[in-house]
Amino acid sequence: EPEVTQTPSHQVTQMGQEVILRCVPISNHLYFYWYRQILGQKVEFLVSFYNNEISEKSEIFDDQFSVERPDGSNFTLKIRSTKLEDSAMYFCASQGALNNSPLHFGNGTRLTVT
Amino acid sequence: RKEVEQDPGPFNVPEGATVAFNCTYSNSASQSFFWYRQDCRKEPKLLMSVYSSGNEDGRFTAQLNRASQYISLLIRDSKLSDSATYLCVVNNKGNKLVFGAGTILRVKS
Repeated sequence: EPEVTQTPSHQVTQMGQEVILRCVPISNHLYFYWYRQILGQKVEFLVSFYNNEISEKSEIFDDQFSVERPDGSNFTLKIRSTKLEDSAMYFCASQGALNNSPLHFGNGTRLTVT
Repeated sequence: RKEVEQDPGPFNVPEGATVAFNCTYSNSASQSFFWYRQDCRKEPKLLMSVYSSGNEDGRFTAQLNRASQYISLLIRDSKLSDSATYLCVVNNKGNKLVFGAGTILRVKS
Protein backbone atom coordinates (compact mmCIF):
# COMPACT_ATOMS: atom_id res chain seq x y z
CA GLU A 1 0.00 0.00 0.00
CA PRO A 2 1.42 3.44 -0.91
CA GLU A 3 2.67 5.48 2.03
CA VAL A 4 3.43 9.04 3.01
CA THR A 5 7.05 9.22 4.13
CA GLN A 6 8.64 11.87 6.32
CA THR A 7 12.22 12.71 7.13
CA PRO A 8 13.91 13.06 9.50
CA SER A 9 12.10 11.05 12.16
CA HIS A 10 13.64 13.22 14.87
CA GLN A 11 15.17 16.68 14.60
CA VAL A 12 16.86 18.50 17.46
CA THR A 13 17.59 22.17 16.95
CA GLN A 14 18.50 25.22 18.94
CA MET A 15 16.09 28.09 19.46
CA GLY A 16 16.33 30.61 16.63
CA GLN A 17 17.59 28.10 14.05
CA GLU A 18 15.79 27.28 10.83
CA VAL A 19 14.48 23.77 10.23
CA ILE A 20 13.05 22.08 7.17
CA LEU A 21 10.81 19.06 7.57
CA ARG A 22 10.41 16.90 4.51
CA CYS A 23 7.56 14.79 3.25
CA VAL A 24 6.93 12.65 0.18
CA PRO A 25 3.16 12.35 -0.27
CA ILE A 26 1.42 9.49 -2.04
CA SER A 27 2.19 9.97 -5.71
CA ASN A 28 -1.27 10.46 -7.23
CA HIS A 29 -2.59 12.61 -4.39
CA LEU A 30 -3.43 16.25 -4.99
CA TYR A 31 -4.02 17.76 -1.55
CA PHE A 32 -1.28 18.07 1.04
CA TYR A 33 -1.34 19.02 4.68
CA TRP A 34 0.80 19.69 7.71
CA TYR A 35 -0.53 19.01 11.18
CA ARG A 36 1.26 19.16 14.50
CA GLN A 37 0.74 17.52 17.87
CA ILE A 38 2.31 18.91 21.01
CA LEU A 39 2.99 16.10 23.49
CA GLY A 40 -0.19 15.15 25.31
CA GLN A 41 -2.37 17.46 23.22
CA LYS A 42 -4.60 17.05 20.20
CA VAL A 43 -3.64 16.97 16.55
CA GLU A 44 -3.82 20.56 15.20
CA PHE A 45 -4.20 21.72 11.62
CA LEU A 46 -1.42 23.96 10.30
CA VAL A 47 -1.84 24.32 6.56
CA SER A 48 -3.34 22.79 3.43
CA PHE A 49 -1.80 22.99 -0.04
CA TYR A 50 -3.36 22.38 -3.42
CA ASN A 51 -2.36 23.25 -6.96
CA ASN A 52 0.96 24.68 -5.79
CA GLU A 53 -0.50 27.15 -3.36
CA ILE A 54 -1.75 27.35 0.19
CA SER A 55 -5.50 26.79 0.28
CA GLU A 56 -5.97 27.32 3.99
CA LYS A 57 -3.85 27.98 7.07
CA SER A 58 -4.47 28.18 10.79
CA GLU A 59 -3.54 30.88 13.29
CA ILE A 60 -0.54 28.76 14.28
CA PHE A 61 0.88 29.06 10.76
CA ASP A 62 2.36 32.55 11.12
CA ASP A 63 5.13 34.29 9.17
CA GLN A 64 7.73 31.95 10.64
CA PHE A 65 6.22 29.02 8.73
CA SER A 66 6.30 28.32 5.02
CA VAL A 67 5.56 25.37 2.76
CA GLU A 68 6.87 24.41 -0.63
CA ARG A 69 6.53 21.69 -3.21
CA PRO A 70 9.80 22.32 -5.01
CA ASP A 71 10.01 19.38 -7.37
CA GLY A 72 6.60 17.77 -7.72
CA SER A 73 7.32 15.02 -5.22
CA ASN A 74 8.63 16.55 -2.00
CA PHE A 75 6.45 18.72 0.23
CA THR A 76 8.38 20.70 2.83
CA LEU A 77 7.58 22.68 5.95
CA LYS A 78 10.10 25.34 6.93
CA ILE A 79 10.22 27.04 10.30
CA ARG A 80 12.41 30.11 9.93
CA SER A 81 13.38 30.84 13.53
CA THR A 82 12.32 28.08 15.89
CA LYS A 83 10.92 28.74 19.35
CA LEU A 84 10.73 26.40 22.32
CA GLU A 85 6.98 26.10 21.83
CA ASP A 86 7.49 24.72 18.31
CA SER A 87 8.57 21.44 19.90
CA ALA A 88 6.01 18.89 18.72
CA MET A 89 5.35 16.00 16.37
CA TYR A 90 4.78 17.29 12.86
CA PHE A 91 2.65 15.11 10.61
CA CYS A 92 2.41 15.44 6.87
CA ALA A 93 -0.72 14.09 5.21
CA SER A 94 -1.97 13.71 1.68
CA GLN A 95 -5.40 13.20 0.19
CA GLY A 96 -6.58 11.80 -3.12
CA ALA A 97 -8.46 13.66 -5.80
CA LEU A 98 -11.89 13.12 -4.33
CA ASN A 99 -13.33 15.62 -1.89
CA ASN A 100 -14.30 14.04 1.41
CA SER A 101 -11.73 11.27 1.11
CA PRO A 102 -9.64 10.54 4.21
CA LEU A 103 -6.16 11.86 4.89
CA HIS A 104 -3.21 9.51 4.91
CA PHE A 105 -0.56 10.48 7.41
CA GLY A 106 3.18 10.04 7.42
CA ASN A 107 4.86 8.69 10.55
CA GLY A 108 5.84 12.15 11.68
CA THR A 109 8.91 14.17 12.56
CA ARG A 110 9.55 14.79 16.23
CA LEU A 111 10.97 18.32 16.50
CA THR A 112 12.76 19.22 19.73
CA VAL A 113 13.79 22.85 20.17
CA THR A 114 16.30 23.44 22.96
CA ARG B 1 -18.46 25.09 21.77
CA LYS B 2 -15.44 23.10 20.59
CA GLU B 3 -15.38 22.17 16.90
CA VAL B 4 -15.11 18.47 17.75
CA GLU B 5 -15.71 17.22 21.26
CA GLN B 6 -14.98 13.78 22.70
CA ASP B 7 -15.03 12.21 26.13
CA PRO B 8 -11.31 11.85 26.92
CA GLY B 9 -11.76 8.67 28.98
CA PRO B 10 -9.83 6.60 29.71
CA PHE B 11 -12.17 3.70 29.14
CA ASN B 12 -10.77 0.67 30.94
CA VAL B 13 -12.51 -2.50 29.74
CA PRO B 14 -11.83 -6.25 29.91
CA GLU B 15 -11.10 -8.28 26.81
CA GLY B 16 -14.29 -9.26 25.04
CA ALA B 17 -16.25 -6.24 26.23
CA THR B 18 -18.29 -3.94 24.02
CA VAL B 19 -17.39 -0.27 24.28
CA ALA B 20 -18.90 2.83 22.69
CA PHE B 21 -17.39 6.23 22.06
CA ASN B 22 -19.29 9.40 21.30
CA CYS B 23 -18.35 12.58 19.53
CA THR B 24 -20.18 15.84 18.82
CA TYR B 25 -19.29 18.46 16.23
CA SER B 26 -20.26 22.10 15.98
CA ASN B 27 -20.39 22.82 12.24
CA SER B 28 -23.72 21.71 10.80
CA ALA B 29 -22.28 22.06 7.28
CA SER B 30 -19.68 19.33 7.86
CA GLN B 31 -19.79 16.62 5.21
CA SER B 32 -16.98 14.19 6.02
CA PHE B 33 -16.62 12.14 9.17
CA PHE B 34 -13.96 9.67 10.18
CA TRP B 35 -12.64 7.67 13.08
CA TYR B 36 -8.87 7.42 13.33
CA ARG B 37 -6.85 5.52 15.90
CA GLN B 38 -3.55 6.71 17.27
CA ASP B 39 -1.05 4.59 19.14
CA CYS B 40 1.33 6.28 21.57
CA ARG B 41 3.70 8.63 19.72
CA LYS B 42 2.60 7.34 16.32
CA GLU B 43 0.71 8.90 13.46
CA PRO B 44 -3.10 8.81 13.27
CA LYS B 45 -4.31 5.89 11.16
CA LEU B 46 -7.68 5.74 9.48
CA LEU B 47 -9.99 3.28 11.20
CA MET B 48 -13.10 3.95 9.18
CA SER B 49 -15.09 6.59 7.38
CA VAL B 50 -18.56 7.30 8.77
CA TYR B 51 -21.48 7.30 6.36
CA SER B 52 -24.95 8.76 6.83
CA SER B 53 -26.60 5.36 6.90
CA GLY B 54 -24.11 3.99 9.42
CA ASN B 55 -21.51 1.42 8.52
CA GLU B 56 -19.78 -1.61 9.93
CA ASP B 57 -16.31 -3.04 9.46
CA GLY B 58 -15.85 -6.29 11.32
CA ARG B 59 -16.08 -5.57 15.04
CA PHE B 60 -16.41 -1.83 14.48
CA THR B 61 -19.66 0.04 13.84
CA ALA B 62 -19.92 3.76 13.18
CA GLN B 63 -23.10 5.84 13.31
CA LEU B 64 -23.82 9.41 12.28
CA ASN B 65 -26.74 11.54 13.49
CA ARG B 66 -26.71 14.75 11.48
CA ALA B 67 -29.67 16.28 13.30
CA SER B 68 -27.88 15.98 16.65
CA GLN B 69 -24.41 16.50 15.12
CA TYR B 70 -23.26 13.34 16.82
CA ILE B 71 -21.02 10.47 15.76
CA SER B 72 -20.44 7.20 17.54
CA LEU B 73 -18.07 4.25 17.35
CA LEU B 74 -18.92 0.85 18.77
CA ILE B 75 -16.25 -1.78 19.29
CA ARG B 76 -17.45 -5.33 19.94
CA ASP B 77 -15.39 -8.16 21.42
CA SER B 78 -12.52 -5.86 22.44
CA LYS B 79 -8.98 -7.16 21.94
CA LEU B 80 -5.82 -6.13 23.77
CA SER B 81 -4.61 -4.69 20.46
CA ASP B 82 -7.55 -2.26 20.39
CA SER B 83 -5.87 -0.26 23.17
CA ALA B 84 -5.20 3.15 21.63
CA THR B 85 -6.56 6.67 21.42
CA TYR B 86 -9.59 6.98 19.13
CA LEU B 87 -9.87 10.26 17.28
CA CYS B 88 -13.11 11.67 15.94
CA VAL B 89 -12.35 13.69 12.80
CA VAL B 90 -14.70 16.03 10.93
CA ASN B 91 -14.19 18.35 8.02
CA ASN B 92 -14.80 21.94 9.05
CA LYS B 93 -14.86 23.58 5.66
CA GLY B 94 -13.46 22.43 2.38
CA ASN B 95 -10.92 19.67 2.85
CA LYS B 96 -9.64 20.82 6.24
CA LEU B 97 -10.11 18.06 8.81
CA VAL B 98 -10.48 18.94 12.47
CA PHE B 99 -9.52 16.43 15.13
CA GLY B 100 -11.12 15.83 18.48
CA ALA B 101 -8.79 15.46 21.43
CA GLY B 102 -9.33 11.70 21.41
CA THR B 103 -10.73 9.03 23.69
CA ILE B 104 -8.28 6.67 25.38
CA LEU B 105 -9.19 2.98 25.38
CA ARG B 106 -7.35 0.47 27.54
CA VAL B 107 -8.30 -3.18 27.09
CA LYS B 108 -7.08 -5.43 29.88
CA SER B 109 -6.80 -9.21 30.08
